Amino acid sequence: DARVTQTPRHKVTEMGQEVTMRCQPILGHNTVFWYRQTMMQGLELLAYFRNRAPLDDSGMPKDRFSAEMPDATLATLKIQPSEPRDSAVYFCASGLINDRVGTEAFFGQGTRLTVV
Amino acid sequence: AQSVAQPEDQVNVAEGNPLTVKCTYSVSGNPYLFWYVQYPNRGLQFLLKYITGDNLVKGSYGFEAEFNKSQTSFHLKKPSALVSDSALYFCAVRDTDTGRRALTFGSGTRLQVQP
Repeated sequence: DARVTQTPRHKVTEMGQEVTMRCQPILGHNTVFWYRQTMMQGLELLAYFRNRAPLDDSGMPKDRFSAEMPDATLATLKIQPSEPRDSAVYFCASGLINDRVGTEAFFGQGTRLTVV
Repeated sequence: AQSVAQPEDQVNVAEGNPLTVKCTYSVSGNPYLFWYVQYPNRGLQFLLKYITGDNLVKGSYGFEAEFNKSQTSFHLKKPSALVSDSALYFCAVRDTDTGRRALTFGSGTRLQVQP
């Protein structure tokens, strides 16, 4: 049963520490998304990749966040240094998406980040 | 720019009654529209989508949605609600004319089905 896998599921860290979240997209999917969910802002798009190339990271605070896809099986989201306002659930999603096919994105279980 | 509005924060319905969760959208071109459901401490699960064709789309767990282009709406419906349908529901849109592949989500509607 193909699924998007995210690790860790939960992370508690102190302010100022580096946080790395990992995502294994579904094999064969060409597009990977990072979303952040908070009570106040709902679901916000942080960044997305197509065929491992970053297409849009305008939703990401550039000074502290970075997203990469070192290979087709791994996407990472890093926060350095972390701040309490970064506390949220971070979702990775993947899909086989192109201009003429409207396939859905499949979401992982999320990483719940708490920065104290 | 693409956007989605879910005007109701919460919808309450009695078990066995029909339910409707509202969604309106704004795009510059033609929309791809999606509904997702989120259970507590879980990721989003895909329910159904409208891409083209029949305006009435059927999806998982007995849900369906009707695309109305003139009203720019895509309301989620189910003829008979179950207590297990209680969850957070998100509508999402992708504008096919912009080349943007990411979905924009609404703020979510919490569905509470009472026994």
